[in-house]
Amino acid sequence: DADVTQTPRNRITKTGKRIMLECSQTKGHDRMYWYRQDPGLGLRLIYYSFDVKDINKGEISDGYSVSRQAQAKFSLSLESAIPNQTALYFCATSRVRNNEQFFGPGTRLTVL
Amino acid sequence: SQQGEEDPQALSIQEGENATMNCSYKTSINNLQWYRQNSGRGLVHLILIRSNEREKHSGRLRVTLDTSKKSSSLLITASRAADTASYFCATSGAGSYQLTFGKGTKLSVIP
Repeated sequence: DADVTQTPRNRITKTGKRIMLECSQTKGHDRMYWYRQDPGLGLRLIYYSFDVKDINKGEISDGYSVSRQAQAKFSLSLESAIPNQTALYFCATSRVRNNEQFFGPGTRLTVL
Repeated sequence: SQQGEEDPQALSIQEGENATMNCSYKTSINNLQWYRQNSGRGLVHLILIRSNEREKHSGRLRVTLDTSKKSSSLLITASRAADTASYFCATSGAGSYQLTFGKGTKLSVIP
């Protein structure tokens, strides 16, 4: 969905490096989410934000941090990347609570 | 922990046939949603059914919800090769601010 963009689309990094994944949206939605997807495990929620001043941990927040720089921007950081953080990462937005979410194209992250 | 569990994990059918996927969940929900994911891409929302609804249609999609059995099914009629994708159910629980996704059903439609 072109309304939710993620950069970079692919990233290969080494253990111990700090990595930032960025998400921008033009939908005007207040709610934004970060998920990771591993083969056979579906999507798991890392962090979510309901507005610029509201950040919440999801199911698997350990090893990650986020920053909501503006309504339209939500960044995910891996402070010290480790190999088991190799996964596909998705950003999503929603207009209202518990309604449909709009996903970005994903970032494929490989940690060597 | 994940709420929804799709069944089967994988499904292969001929073009023109119907495809049925099931989702079971464990706790009370506000709504249940189905998403489609083409290989390696973002998820696309297909349909939402609220806890007080039993059936919903959208084009070739039919979703049913049985809250007494904590289960839902997604039927795709007259399948096409372009329907090849993974399908996920996601539940929104009472008092929850999150969607919880299942592991998905991988559908292959053979031309």
